[in-house]
Amino acid sequence: DQQVKQNSPSLSVQEGRISILNCDYTNSMFDYFLWYKKYPAEGPTFLISISSIKDKNEDGRFTVFLNKSAKHLSLHIVPSQPGDSAVYFCAARFGNQFYFGTGTSLTVIP
Amino acid sequence: GAGVSQSPSNKVTEKGKDVELRCDPISGHTALYWYRQSLGQGLEFLIYFQGNSAPDKSGLPSDRFSAERTGGSVSTLTIQRTQQEDSAVYLCASSLTDLYGYTFGSGTRLTVV
Repeated sequence: DQQVKQNSPSLSVQEGRISILNCDYTNSMFDYFLWYKKYPAEGPTFLISISSIKDKNEDGRFTVFLNKSAKHLSLHIVPSQPGDSAVYFCAARFGNQFYFGTGTSLTVIP
Repeated sequence: GAGVSQSPSNKVTEKGKDVELRCDPISGHTALYWYRQSLGQGLEFLIYFQGNSAPDKSGLPSDRFSAERTGGSVSTLTIQRTQQEDSAVYLCASSLTDLYGYTFGSGTRLTVV
């Protein structure tokens, strides 16, 4: 039972354009959401987070949007850079557990 | 150390053998998690340690899986009588506050043949 879903396994974007990574969830009790970035042969690294009481959080080129009514989370990267090419996981917290999506592989084309 | 360290990085074992995976969390981090990532799957929660509290074992897939955390630091995940479906990358993560995102190790890739 996948409570956090990333329906796009891959995404390709031209350098300089916007990358939009999407995530849907089913549990309305999730109170905290995170995005992780993962390079091959490495563990995921924390990227950005948002509390359920907010609808937007921005950090440099990265912005996370939360639409609670739609149970939808998105990560915007603008402008995209080749170094952003990685797998991106969204995660949601309920209690002391985090639930992860299956990841979206982003390729930024120079 | 500066990060979460996991060993070994790769492990190939025969079906039916026992394996031990080790995680050294960031010093001072009280929360420690084990996850695994199977091919094409998201990260699957296995077990959670927080300080001296009893661990949350609700994610362990069977009684062949067990984990311990000695002295509130190093953790060992043990898989007994390994099966082919146990093949996955096993990730350890630790956190200072348990309220926010946390730091992952680079994982142990387990292959059961």
